[in-house]
Amino acid sequence: DSGVTQTPKHLITATGQRVTLRCSPRSGDLSVYWYQQSLDQGLQFLIQYYNGEERAKGNILERFSAQQFPDLHSELNLSSLELGDSALYFCASSVAGNNQPQHFGDGTRLSIL
Amino acid sequence: EDQVTQSPEALRLQEGESSSLNCSYTVSGLRGLFWYRQDPGKGPEFLFTLYSAGEEKEKERLKATLTKKESFLHITAPKPEDSATYLCAVAASGSARQLTFGSGTQLTVLP
Repeated sequence: DSGVTQTPKHLITATGQRVTLRCSPRSGDLSVYWYQQSLDQGLQFLIQYYNGEERAKGNILERFSAQQFPDLHSELNLSSLELGDSALYFCASSVAGNNQPQHFGDGTRLSIL
Repeated sequence: EDQVTQSPEALRLQEGESSSLNCSYTVSGLRGLFWYRQDPGKGPEFLFTLYSAGEEKEKERLKATLTKKESFLHITAPKPEDSATYLCAVAASGSARQLTFGSGTQLTVLP
């Protein structure tokens, strides 16, 4: 158990809809990262927050957004969903510093019908 | 652009048959190289961090090594429970905070 909690585990929805994925980091970790994992792309970095502030952006679509709340949990919002958004979405957390290991949750599997 | 290439893509071993997985990387200033294990339906599980060339880390049947261009994950006398996908990732210096992952090596250990 990594200590990172993600909900829900599975999400099935339709094209055009909006969903919110939730992540609770390990106790004491201030950084939260979101990744997308698909069969053809592997693990791709989306966005990072540190203590409530956005720190880095990767290959995140404009239809996607995230935030980190004062209690350090984070939410990833995906809107105007397309079939290609079907993937596993992982959250990871770490202590400060980008040479520290990130610890991953077990992900949310998003299926778009 | 940071790049990580893992080989082979898939590896089948008999129980007890030792082997090595390779991770080649191109990065503008390495802050850390990370090895993870991922089981089906689960998130990546952290194994090791290596920070500088020549460094080695060991855990049970696994040993990770690092040079200036690549890292190896040596698996000694593997067991079926070692079957998983092994992922390599790098953290680069500069403003980037994310990990850049390789595509992984899918290891199957047959009893």
